[in-house]
Amino acid sequence: GDSVTQMEGPVTLSEEAFLTINCTYTATGYPSLFWYVQYPGEGLQLLLKATKADDKGSNKGFEATYRKETTSFHLEKGSVQVSDSAVYFCALSDRETSGTYKYIFGTGTRLKVLA
Amino acid sequence: NAGVTQTPKFQVLKTGQSMTLQCAQDMNHNSMYWYRQDPGMGLRLIYYSASEGTTDKGEVPNGYNVSRLNKREFSLRLESAAPSQTSVYFCASSEFHGYNEQFFGPGTRLTVL
Repeated sequence: GDSVTQMEGPVTLSEEAFLTINCTYTATGYPSLFWYVQYPGEGLQLLLKATKADDKGSNKGFEATYRKETTSFHLEKGSVQVSDSAVYFCALSDRETSGTYKYIFGTGTRLKVLA
Repeated sequence: NAGVTQTPKFQVLKTGQSMTLQCAQDMNHNSMYWYRQDPGMGLRLIYYSASEGTTDKGEVPNGYNVSRLNKREFSLRLESAAPSQTSVYFCASSEFHGYNEQFFGPGTRLTVL
């Protein structure tokens, strides 16, 4: 079945450091891929998405490219800020052979950015 | 727009008690979802409603029931709470059930003693 695997955290970086959070997936169909962010005490909110191979999603300085050949959707940011401290979730949405849709989240990666 | 709202924000129950978590959205979305979030396990889908008048089980439906009251509202009921249901519960909605992004409420933190 479909699954999402993302790197375990926590990830601790200094302000202005480069960020990569790895995400790989398995899917039976042609999924859409998402990154969500969860700030303390809040619900998840969409950070970026990509709907087909080679698409690049971007938002607030974050980027991720849909790589079908490596089944990956790694999240990157060139220079992190303290305000980026949060938990990041990789997710996919895929249509199963039965015709139903499945939405699967990774386990989340906690990022802590130090001033 | 308030987006997705949930009540209550916090709740403490004793084993065996029942309660209903309320969720409402004002974005005219067709689909709504209930998830639970536990440490190290990400989000797991409990139930969803692809459209008004339909509900379906997700990954972890045991011990829960849902009602899609109308297009705006989707409630989650625990009939006889157990300590294993201690979790943070999130309601979400999307325009359609499929490849769309989901919009999340702020969550309900439930503790069952």
